[in-house]
Amino acid sequence: GAGVSQSPSNKVTEKGKDVELRCDPISGHTALYWYRQSLGQGLEFLIYFQGNSAPDKSGLPSDRFSAERTGGSVSTLTIQRTQQEDSAVYLCASSGPGKNEQFFGPGTRLTVL
Amino acid sequence: GIQVEQSPPDLILQEGANSTLRCNFSDSVNNLQWFHQNPWGQLINLFYIPSGTKQNGRLSATTVATERYSLLYISSSQTTDSGVYFCAVRLTGTASKLTFGTGTRLQVTL
Repeated sequence: GAGVSQSPSNKVTEKGKDVELRCDPISGHTALYWYRQSLGQGLEFLIYFQGNSAPDKSGLPSDRFSAERTGGSVSTLTIQRTQQEDSAVYLCASSGPGKNEQFFGPGTRLTVL
Repeated sequence: GIQVEQSPPDLILQEGANSTLRCNFSDSVNNLQWFHQNPWGQLINLFYIPSGTKQNGRLSATTVATERYSLLYISSSQTTDSGVYFCAVRLTGTASKLTFGTGTRLQVTL
């Protein structure tokens, strides 16, 4: 079966613009996670969705970042008024019901000029 | 929060050599995963191993949860093993995030 997919694979934007990043989890996976990987900070957690429960937003770095998950499947991460420090690879992961192992997508490389 | 330390930070091997990568963590965990990040940035799952020992081909891993460490063994290394190896853990009693170590960068030369 298909793995986690993300789009776009690359995004270049200008400072101050809004961007949307998309994640399609593995079919049937109920948990969905966003992480980002940057040179200075390594791999860090952003947000977690589990079924219909309220998301764990504890990793979002500022109120410019938001995410939603529609219909318990696809998720969109939105960054408003992008800044140069937002440049990073944004990774999405999912895990199955009752399972702990997380599987990662290929990531979206975001460059803010 | 939980601290995850990986060693060594960098490793250069000749093809055919064996190696051991270590991951130390500071608290009780309910999830531990080893990943290989290939040159294209994809995180490849190697092992889900919160405790015990597993083997998959030339790779094996052991986690001693009571002593808060995990080891990844690579035998008969190949150039395709090059990349960054990450250990990631989840704190017991939580259900969300993995906390990643800073990784071990492995280069396998001919």
